[in-house]
Amino acid sequence: SAVISQKPSRDICQRGTSLTIQCQVDSQVTMMFWYRQQPGQSLTLIATANQGSEATYESGFVIDKFPISRPNLTFSTLTVSNMSPEDSSIYLCSVETGGRTEAFFGQGTRLTVV
Amino acid sequence: GESVGLHLPTLSVQEGDNSIINCAYSNSASDYFIWYKQESGKGPQFIIDIRSNMDKRQGQRVTVLLNKTVKHLSLQIAATQPGDSAVYFCAENNAGNMLTFGGGTRLMVKP
Repeated sequence: SAVISQKPSRDICQRGTSLTIQCQVDSQVTMMFWYRQQPGQSLTLIATANQGSEATYESGFVIDKFPISRPNLTFSTLTVSNMSPEDSSIYLCSVETGGRTEAFFGQGTRLTVV
Repeated sequence: GESVGLHLPTLSVQEGDNSIINCAYSNSASDYFIWYKQESGKGPQFIIDIRSNMDKRQGQRVTVLLNKTVKHLSLQIAATQPGDSAVYFCAENNAGNMLTFGGGTRLMVKP
């Protein structure tokens, strides 16, 4: 298993600003993922954070809007850039410890853009 | 692309009864399935998983059934307790390590 800490747990931000969310894992992991969960909905994968290379983005998500860093095997950040109210969501960090097993999730960051 | 499909029902059950939550998936290439529980203000928590070479897997008070013929997955919770109240998601893995999530079912347990 893995213990994942996300910061901040919640924030209220002004439109046009950017917020960086941090994800710290208590062990080295190969795969780290960022998801968005809009109010009352399921989880949608934003991107896979690759250590040592650029993140791999899913359809509908672009690096300019959601830049991701992965400086080492225990840490990643997701930035939500130039925010609008439509970006109000829960953002979740997830890791897999390998071998196509279950993914573990952080507690999420609840973002409200006003 | 193909995706796991689950309309957003709310299932209300009496404490002590059994609960059954259903999920339909559309990608026949999926070979690994997971059920997650998400309580308010928390991230999804792993409940149980099943691989496509199995039809049934049991955990503590939970059972997952997989019917590959009709691409259907279900989660059964025995003797449902108030602490089981949450949103439940199924997820499928069909391409490396990526998970595709279904829409979720809210389970409400009445005391």
